[in-house]
Amino acid sequence: EPEVTQTPSHQVTQMGQEVILRCVPISNHLYFYWYRQILGQKVEFLVSFYNNEISEKSEIFDDQFSVERPDGSNFTLKIRSTKLEDSAMYFCASSVRLAPPNNEQFFGPGTRLTVL
Amino acid sequence: AQSVSQHNHHVILSEAASLELGCNYSYGGTVNLFWYVQYPGQHLQLLLKYFSGDPLVKGIKGFEAEFIKSKFSFNLRKPSVQWSDTAEYFCAVNRAGGFKTIFGAGTRLFVKA
Repeated sequence: EPEVTQTPSHQVTQMGQEVILRCVPISNHLYFYWYRQILGQKVEFLVSFYNNEISEKSEIFDDQFSVERPDGSNFTLKIRSTKLEDSAMYFCASSVRLAPPNNEQFFGPGTRLTVL
Repeated sequence: AQSVSQHNHHVILSEAASLELGCNYSYGGTVNLFWYVQYPGQHLQLLLKYFSGDPLVKGIKGFEAEFIKSKFSFNLRKPSVQWSDTAEYFCAVNRAGGFKTIFGAGTRLFVKA
């Protein structure tokens, strides 16, 4: 069964450094998403991406964040200058469409980002 | 703003007990509703979803959920839990045609063998 994959599984970085989190969505999906979950808190929406542009973003997704689909398979989340509070599990998701019935989002295993 | 509330943060049951996890959402428009499960060490997986039609939806592994529009609720049920149902369960909602999915805080279920 096709699945969303993410690399790395765990990333440790120093405060102020740039990180790039990578995701390979399911191949026929058109909509891509990033979510994060700070330890002990809710899964929070960050951004959605469709047709090579951001379709919606949350207030968390400030100028320090960017997303890109550099080729036909990868979808990346870049944090330019990491802060301690960026430490979280970051989930990538994809969906084939927006409208039901097949509009559920499929999630990757997550990348645990630790900022020291 | 949309929000999702899950009533129980931790639930402990014995095998064969019945399960009901509460979920309420706030949004006035048409929504799609989901329950996801995260088994230990694994990623989020879809249990079931509702978008229209029969308000009682059946998912995988014997789970079902009932959408009650008047109560803005989408409670998850299973008549007889198994040890392998130990996991964290997330209720989620998105606006019909919307990109963003809003998650509840999750309920950790522990089933004693």
